[in-house]
Amino acid sequence: GENVEQHPSTLSVQEGDSAVIKCTYSDSASNYFPWYKQELGKRPQLIIDIRSNVGEKKDQRIAVTLNKTAKHFSLHITETQPEDSAVYFCAASKKGGGATNKLIFGTGTLLAVQP
Amino acid sequence: DAGVIQSPRHEVTEMGQEVTLRCKLISGHNSLFWYRQTMMRGLELLIYFNNNVPIDDSGMPEDRFSAKMPNASFSTLKIQPSEPRDSAVYFCASSLGQGPTEAFFGQGTRLTVV
Repeated sequence: GENVEQHPSTLSVQEGDSAVIKCTYSDSASNYFPWYKQELGKRPQLIIDIRSNVGEKKDQRIAVTLNKTAKHFSLHITETQPEDSAVYFCAASKKGGGATNKLIFGTGTLLAVQP
Repeated sequence: DAGVIQSPRHEVTEMGQEVTLRCKLISGHNSLFWYRQTMMRGLELLIYFNNNVPIDDSGMPEDRFSAKMPNASFSTLKIQPSEPRDSAVYFCASSLGQGPTEAFFGQGTRLTVV
């Protein structure tokens, strides 16, 4: 089955710096790669996603890149702000049985943005 | 829509007791996922359903765990008997499963088994 690895497990940056989180996946059939942000004590929420027919996607200060050949994808946050502090999860999904999608998560990255 | 609703938000129970966690999907969604979150193992997929049918329960840790979808909008996750190592935050998430798409999470149930 799919295995998603995520690095680093913790990341501390100064406000205004950039942050990069990297993930690798094992199943070449995976075709959907979302990123979720989870603030302390709250639910994971989608911040950006990318599909396998696209190499890069950007939404304001966040961007995601995908390298299908190497089976890795990355989250880039520019001009970090204290409110970006949270745990970030990458995930990989492919079409599973019953026309649905099995979403497998990485282990998470705790991002701390120092003011 | 109020989103995915889970109950209870917190549950403290004694070892050996039965625990039932509940989840109401977003109206119109047809895929339902149960996840368990711990510091050590992150977000683990326990089971997922499509159109009320269990598709993959390979993540269910033991026979003590069972999940049902009695109708299109509601699901339960039951642990019987509960053990201290079951302590975790349990999330359910729903999506409209016509292809790869966003999963919307509930607020989670924090389970503590003492």
